[in-house]
Amino acid sequence: GNSVTQMEGPVTLSEEAFLTINCTYTATGYPSLFWYVQYPGEGLQLLLKATKADDKGSNKGFEATYRKETTSFHLEKGSVQVSDSAVYFCALGNYGQNFVFGPGTRLSVLP
Amino acid sequence: KAGVTQTPRYLIKTRGQQVTLSCSPISGHRSVSWYQQTPGQGLQFLFEYFSETQRNKGNFPGRFSGRQFSNSRSEMNVSTLELGDSALYLCASSLTPGQGEGYEQYFGPGTRLTVT
Repeated sequence: GNSVTQMEGPVTLSEEAFLTINCTYTATGYPSLFWYVQYPGEGLQLLLKATKADDKGSNKGFEATYRKETTSFHLEKGSVQVSDSAVYFCALGNYGQNFVFGPGTRLSVLP
Repeated sequence: KAGVTQTPRYLIKTRGQQVTLSCSPISGHRSVSWYQQTPGQGLQFLFEYFSETQRNKGNFPGRFSGRQFSNSRSEMNVSTLELGDSALYLCASSLTPGQGEGYEQYFGPGTRLTVT
């Protein structure tokens, strides 16, 4: 079946530090991959997506590249801000099957 | 375009009672999915509806049920509430249930259910 593994948090960084949150997946076929972000007291927001191998999703300074050879979709940002503090979820969607989410990684950015 | 709306936002119920939660998807979206989010179990899939038909179902007991109306609005019902049902219930809508463009899900703010 489909599954998503992502690094456990919490991750604590100083403002302007480089961020990487690892995500790997197991799936049959050609899934679409997503990163969602959840701020306190809110639902999940779509951060970026990639629908095929070698696609790069990007939004608000965040990037992730769909690597089929390593079954990975790592999230990166060059310089984090305090406002990026949130929980980040890697997710996989496959045709005819429900979305699968990773456990989430809590990010805290200190000023 | 208005986002996904969920009502009510907060709910307190007693063990043994039942509850109905409502979700209105983004206009034009025909697929609605429901999730339960708890600190211990994370985000767990409940079910997905498309064109009033349940397409997928997660591993939850029969006390959890849902439906979708012709206008794509969806409701989920939990009967005989247990303390462990306390959670944030999230609804998400998408344009299609397929793959590729249009498949990404957009979430509502959730309904916080507390069972006492």
